Amino acid sequence: EVRLVESGGGLVNPGGSLRLSCAASGFTFSSYSLNWVRQAPGKGLEWVSSISGTSKYKYYADSVKGRFTISRDNTKNSLYLQMNSLRDEDTAVYYCARDSGWTGTAALMSNDYWGQGTLVTVSS
Amino acid sequence: QSALTQPASVSGSPGQSITISCTGTSSDVGGYNYVSWYQQHPGKAPKLMISEVSNRPSGVSTRFSGSKSGNTASLTISGLQAEDEADYYCSSYTSDSRGVFGGGTKLTVL
Repeated sequence: EVRLVESGGGLVNPGGSLRLSCAASGFTFSSYSLNWVRQAPGKGLEWVSSISGTSKYKYYADSVKGRFTISRDNTKNSLYLQMNSLRDEDTAVYYCARDSGWTGTAALMSNDYWGQGTLVTVSS
Repeated sequence: QSALTQPASVSGSPGQSITISCTGTSSDVGGYNYVSWYQQHPGKAPKLMISEVSNRPSGVSTRFSGSKSGNTASLTISGLQAEDEADYYCSSYTSDSRGVFGGGTKLTVL
């Protein structure tokens, strides 16, 4: 059974940092690209970042570029999102998701499995 | 990286069919067959309903179907059931190898 479990969310001051983790099981982790997707309270889904199976390719939304860093450890079956210089507008539930495909250089943005999400609240 | 355009809400009666549209540009929806549709119930994670425009993952009801014409993709749900009431989101791969979602559509089953 495929499982994705996020952790690391919490309350942080504006300008602060937080590192999210996503523990995966039930599939060959290194064979899949992964995405972070967030959802602000009462709002829609927003793609945040994606990473290829080997970590060679990484992509970011304009809203987080230069502040967030995606990474993965295939020996630990884990995905990470380092979030720096956090802003009020980064408040959201953050989901990790497995992408079902690959173009050769990028994920298809077709997420077939999702975690339950972890809430990040940026507030003073 | 503008969001794809979806209607804010649609509604239908049990047994009817509804269609949700998702309009983008030639740099996303119109340029690639990498449009996906997700269903999200309140407080739950999204669920993949359609991938690559019209592919239905294993376990998804055949009442759900997807299509695309030009820069607009569509999700059709036939034989509406009460359990279909949820938020629906489209997403697409983009020309700069990133992703974009639609604003979401709230489906009400009357």
